[in-house]
Amino acid sequence: DAGVIQSPRHEVTEMGQEVTLRCKPISGHNSLFWYRQTMMRGLELLIYFNNNVPIDDSGMPEDRFSAKMPNASFSTLKIQPSEPRDSAVYFCASSFWFGGYTFGSGTRLTVV
Amino acid sequence: AQTVTQSQPEMSVQEAETVTLSCTYDTSESDYYLFWYKQPPSRQMILVIRQEAYKQQNATENRFSVNFQKAAKSFSLKISDSQLGDAAMYFCAYNQDGGSQGNLIFGKGTKLSVKP
Repeated sequence: DAGVIQSPRHEVTEMGQEVTLRCKPISGHNSLFWYRQTMMRGLELLIYFNNNVPIDDSGMPEDRFSAKMPNASFSTLKIQPSEPRDSAVYFCASSFWFGGYTFGSGTRLTVV
Repeated sequence: AQTVTQSQPEMSVQEAETVTLSCTYDTSESDYYLFWYKQPPSRQMILVIRQEAYKQQNATENRFSVNFQKAAKSFSLKISDSQLGDAAMYFCAYNQDGGSQGNLIFGKGTKLSVKP
């Protein structure tokens, strides 16, 4: 298996622009997680899905952030409009029951 | 709410020596899972080792082992025969449900340097 695939690996955008991060989980995994990593706050959960259904989105910072999982093999995290404080590394991870988590390589987002 | 604390922001070890990274956590649950993840400069999060709370035996993976003290809510990672490739950020993490239903709660991390 190719693992959890995230794209793009790097994204530089201007403040106010829309940003879409993409994730393809491991086939057969039934849970998907979006994490954000910053120096100040460390790794924090934004949202997670179980069987494509959002279970906990309490970590989503504000209405500018939205996430979707239209099917078992694809998820997006969208920021609209983006702000400089959104600059971070965004990780997607997937898991299967008692199987532990597998992380993607992350997307480094820079908003200028 | 569950919390994970790593009290050592940075650690250093000589190549071939042994180093122990500390982690404590707070929970009122009796069944849970604990993990150590490694994040090298490539930023990939790599699972190092995992421990189920109901197991009394400490987990081991080659040169990596844990000292799990449930009553003390302590979960330290021991790296034996340290290698240059072990240099990375190490994160301790807690999960209630083993990886399907719940969130991974991370500590702030420990940056490990390995000196040749």
